[in-house]
Amino acid sequence: SQQGEEDPQALSIQEGENATMNCSYKTSINNLQWYRQNSGRGLVHLILIRSNEREKHSGRLRVTLDTSKKSSSLLITASRAADTASYFCATDRGNDYKLSFGAGTTVTVRA
Amino acid sequence: ETGVTQTPRHLVMGMTNKKSLKCEQHLGHNAMYWYKQSAKKPLELMFVYSLEERVENNSVPSRFSPECPNSSHLFLHLHTLQPEDSALYLCASSPSVSGNTIYFGEGSWLTVV
Repeated sequence: SQQGEEDPQALSIQEGENATMNCSYKTSINNLQWYRQNSGRGLVHLILIRSNEREKHSGRLRVTLDTSKKSSSLLITASRAADTASYFCATDRGNDYKLSFGAGTTVTVRA
Repeated sequence: ETGVTQTPRHLVMGMTNKKSLKCEQHLGHNAMYWYKQSAKKPLELMFVYSLEERVENNSVPSRFSPECPNSSHLFLHLHTLQPEDSALYLCASSPSVSGNTIYFGEGSWLTVV
């Protein structure tokens, strides 16, 4: 069953602006991961944050995790046209091998 | 290049055809997966293999038949499919089945006519 749900479903921003998307989940997790998918391509891993971590950075990406609210956010700073893609969160509950994906947030960066 | 190669990238098949999707990973991973991605829906995990042994069959119809001859190769055999089976089929691998980053192939676009 679906564990993570991304919000919003779609986001359109101007190049140079920041993009923020959120992920909520229902049960306790071992870690949470964010993936990117360019149109018609496979998913690419962006960042993994463990349940005992609150914030993680990778280049222009910043991920936060609030386990008390069962939510995570992905911030893309200074967006570029190449950031246009769908972004998915995936949760690992640690008790099985099912990495549960949400339906994704589609981000469009306008030049 | 993710280290996971899927062929063919595009496949159109009739409902009475038999075809196969192929996946090969060059990462030395022990776990391989098939996912189905339909428009506007979350990824659906179909099958999981760990060291060539199937460990998960997620209530997938028998018209989809996986095969894992070794830890580097994974097939999805397709037979008597329905139009609603049209989707992007993604193969993936990970070092093991637990809590790891998953590496995806580029996917095989399947259209059933």
